[in-house]
Amino acid sequence: NAGVTQTPKFRVLKTGQSMTLLCAQDMNHEYMYWYRQDPGMGLRLIHYSVGEGTTAKGEVPDGYNVSRLKKQNFLLGLESAAPSQTSVYFCASSYPRRKGMGANVLTFGAGSRLTVL
Amino acid sequence: AQSVSQHNHHVILSEAASLELGCNYSYGGTVNLFWYVQYPGQHLQLLLKYFSGDPLVKGIKGFEAEFIKSKFSFNLRKPSVQWSDTAEYFCAVNADSSASKIIFGSGTRLSIRP
Repeated sequence: NAGVTQTPKFRVLKTGQSMTLLCAQDMNHEYMYWYRQDPGMGLRLIHYSVGEGTTAKGEVPDGYNVSRLKKQNFLLGLESAAPSQTSVYFCASSYPRRKGMGANVLTFGAGSRLTVL
Repeated sequence: AQSVSQHNHHVILSEAASLELGCNYSYGGTVNLFWYVQYPGQHLQLLLKYFSGDPLVKGIKGFEAEFIKSKFSFNLRKPSVQWSDTAEYFCAVNADSSASKIIFGSGTRLSIRP
């Protein structure tokens, strides 16, 4: 039972390069999230999804795109990386408390450390 | 925009001292509230949560939190901290009526002197 798995764990990019972070969960959770963690800023929500085929913007969506083609996977893309996107990225997932009642406890992945030079 | 404020950025305590970490949120609708903890080198994990009912919530490892609706607050408390409580603590709240958009505060780093 892996929980939430993020790949890659570490990556170094040059400014302008593109990349995709993959989040996979094996708990059949409906909701999935991407956050970034920066010193002094806590976790900031980038994008989230409440089900397969749906995505929504979070607090800091600019410069990122996401896709949820399969229920178990949530991809975070950087089309043209910038140094400001140097961060630790966390994926999380949750099942709804009850239909329409919102997210329950989030299960987090181990994080992906991205450096943009 | 909805927000979560944690005013204590770094708290340093001695073992056995009492702890209270502040959390204030701005969302005016029905709230679901959480405290998460990140121990050094470990995944973020849940300490406790509030959905409804008794506003005094007990969590793991002797932590508790009190929801005060009139103050938009959900402060975390522990009567006697241990060295193993050294970690970063995050408050979180739903930021929409569907309660699916979960946002976090900036975190409080807790350091315990042995």
